[in-house]
Amino acid sequence: NAGVTQTPKFRVLKTGQSMTLLCAQDMNHEYMYWYRQDPGMGLRLIHYSVGEGTTAKGEVPDGYNVSRLKKQNFLLGLESAAPSQTSVYFCASRRDLSFSYNEQFFGPGTRLTVL
Amino acid sequence: AQKVTQAQTEISVVEKEDVTLDCVYETRDTTYYLFWYKQPPSGELVFLIRRNSFDEQNEISGRYSWNFQKSTSSFNFTITASQVVDSAVYFCALSEIRGGATNKLIFGTGTLLAVQP
Repeated sequence: NAGVTQTPKFRVLKTGQSMTLLCAQDMNHEYMYWYRQDPGMGLRLIHYSVGEGTTAKGEVPDGYNVSRLKKQNFLLGLESAAPSQTSVYFCASRRDLSFSYNEQFFGPGTRLTVL
Repeated sequence: AQKVTQAQTEISVVEKEDVTLDCVYETRDTTYYLFWYKQPPSGELVFLIRRNSFDEQNEISGRYSWNFQKSTSSFNFTITASQVVDSAVYFCALSEIRGGATNKLIFGTGTLLAVQP
């Protein structure tokens, strides 16, 4: 049981390049989330998904797209990277709301630098 | 709107000192969860505790204790007899649990705790 995994762990991009971050979870969780962490700002929600085939915008969605084609995977895409997207990206997942215990499990993070 | 405030940006203590990390939250909801996460220098986020809004009992887990007070909208975290391994960034977070809500976590900006040997 690997929990939540993220690929890659580190990446350096040039302005204008595109890339996709992959999040995978093996806990059969319905909900998945992408956050970014910037110094002095805590974690902010980018996009989230409440189930396979569904996505929704979070607090800071601009410049990102997401897809949830399979329940276990949640992809975060940057179509044209900008230096402002330099950050640490965290993926998280949790069980359905029907369970009272609603802890979010976090992946190890992806450190992205855009030059 | 929901908001979590961690006014202490950085705290430095000497090993074996007790330290309290403050967390103040704002929400219009009567039903919600509060969390604490630890982020050690290695970068991962480690879940510490979850508390729902109906349960104001304080909790103790080893050297860690949490004081939840709805009257002051605070959920403070105390480490007793701190150790160097406690050095980390600690995040307080709030989550709505209304029906149909998506359980989004609202994080505070974190408190960096440095425990000196």
